[in-house]
Amino acid sequence: QKEVEQDPGPLSVPEGAIVSLNCTYSNSAFQYFMWYRQYSRKGPELLMYTYSSGNKEDGRFTAQVDKSSKYISLFIRDSQPSDSATYLCAMKGYGQNFVFGPGTRLSVLP
Amino acid sequence: DTEVTQTPKHLVMGMTNKKSLKCEQHMGHRAMYWYKQKAKKPPELMFVYSYEKLSINESVPSRFSPECPNSSLLNLHLHALQPEDSALYLCASSLRDRGSTEAFFGQGTRLTVV
Repeated sequence: QKEVEQDPGPLSVPEGAIVSLNCTYSNSAFQYFMWYRQYSRKGPELLMYTYSSGNKEDGRFTAQVDKSSKYISLFIRDSQPSDSATYLCAMKGYGQNFVFGPGTRLSVLP
Repeated sequence: DTEVTQTPKHLVMGMTNKKSLKCEQHMGHRAMYWYKQKAKKPPELMFVYSYEKLSINESVPSRFSPECPNSSLLNLHLHALQPEDSALYLCASSLRDRGSTEAFFGQGTRLTVV
């Protein structure tokens, strides 16, 4: 079992849809959770950072962490074609390296 | 300012060349990282520097040689690379390598080895 699992997609949605992206993990020591957006041939851009369990909202983006289920989510409201990218989850525990999910490719169709 | 700057953006080098990738951040971060990313794959950790000292080397071949001249700069020296080393090389930084801290990435250097 991989340490972090993520559906690679591709995921295609119409413009304006609510997008749900998810990762599951196996390491109970993970405490810090991040979502990155990566456009083709560019570096990953940090979207959301969450410590431990709970929700965090920033504009159209909401990150959720459920440590009891070892499950994290990123919701994108009112999705736009400019949201088309690969979304990477990343997580780490204290004193540990960052561990990335394989990424989900998202296409938002106009 | 959450910017990590990498130069050059693109690099083509022969297998006998020596070249260097450069990374710079001015966020006061004390942990800096080199990652390698192949197409449609997540970034793979290569090296971690913590307080200018190499703390992690993920069994990277010696043809890759990292250097951290000061707390703002990180270099990756390349020598005698192979075509399979062609990839996007990403630099990242975080406040420290332990504890509560997110990582910020540069835009990467797209390396092609011919």
